[in-house]
Amino acid sequence: AQSVTQPDIHITVSEGASLELRCNYSYGATPYLFWYVQSPGQGLQLLLKYFSGDTLVQGIKGFEAEFKRSQSSFNLRKPSVHWSDAAEYFCAVGSYNNNDMRFGAGTRLTVKP
Amino acid sequence: GAVVSQHPSRVICKSGTSVKIECRSLDFQATTMFWYRQFPKKSLMLMATSNEGSKATYEQGVEKDKFLINHASLTLSTLTVTSAHPEDSSFYICSARPQDRVGGNEQFFGPGTRLTVL
Repeated sequence: AQSVTQPDIHITVSEGASLELRCNYSYGATPYLFWYVQSPGQGLQLLLKYFSGDTLVQGIKGFEAEFKRSQSSFNLRKPSVHWSDAAEYFCAVGSYNNNDMRFGAGTRLTVKP
Repeated sequence: GAVVSQHPSRVICKSGTSVKIECRSLDFQATTMFWYRQFPKKSLMLMATSNEGSKATYEQGVEKDKFLINHASLTLSTLTVTSAHPEDSSFYICSARPQDRVGGNEQFFGPGTRLTVL
């Protein structure tokens, strides 16, 4: 069965510092991988996605993620965090028809001034 | 493009009443919509998959008679929480998958509905 693990429940970084959020997945076939961001009381916004091709994926708001098949990972990075990036981040894995998307538990990002 | 709305955004009801939540794809057609439930500080859990014109497919452990789903058109799916109880209080989020996307399907999420049952 597919699953997603986000090892870090809560991360605190200083504004301007770099950020890496970890995501590991378990999936029997070719995974379709996503990162979403959720602000408090809001829905989910897609940051980026990986289906195939270049393993380094660029997303919105300056985020990028790298797919590493050998490590079953899809970590999210940002070189310089802004205070507005404080939110909950979810990694998700789905299949080709995406009827079975599964989310990780989420990582809450706090940004210190 | 690819905007999904939900209505209402917040609802408070008395125990025993039924509540209907609407999910609309505003600028695309969606043959498939999904309903998720999110508990405080928790991840999203898929409740059911809704296909236009057919019965919804419920995840294991989700009571289909409790959570009625109707996908009457390519732009509208509704979730009705019947005989709501305080334990049904939660954040309900819908998503929609565009009809014309081929492969690598992604879901577009609504803003969520906060349900509080007193």
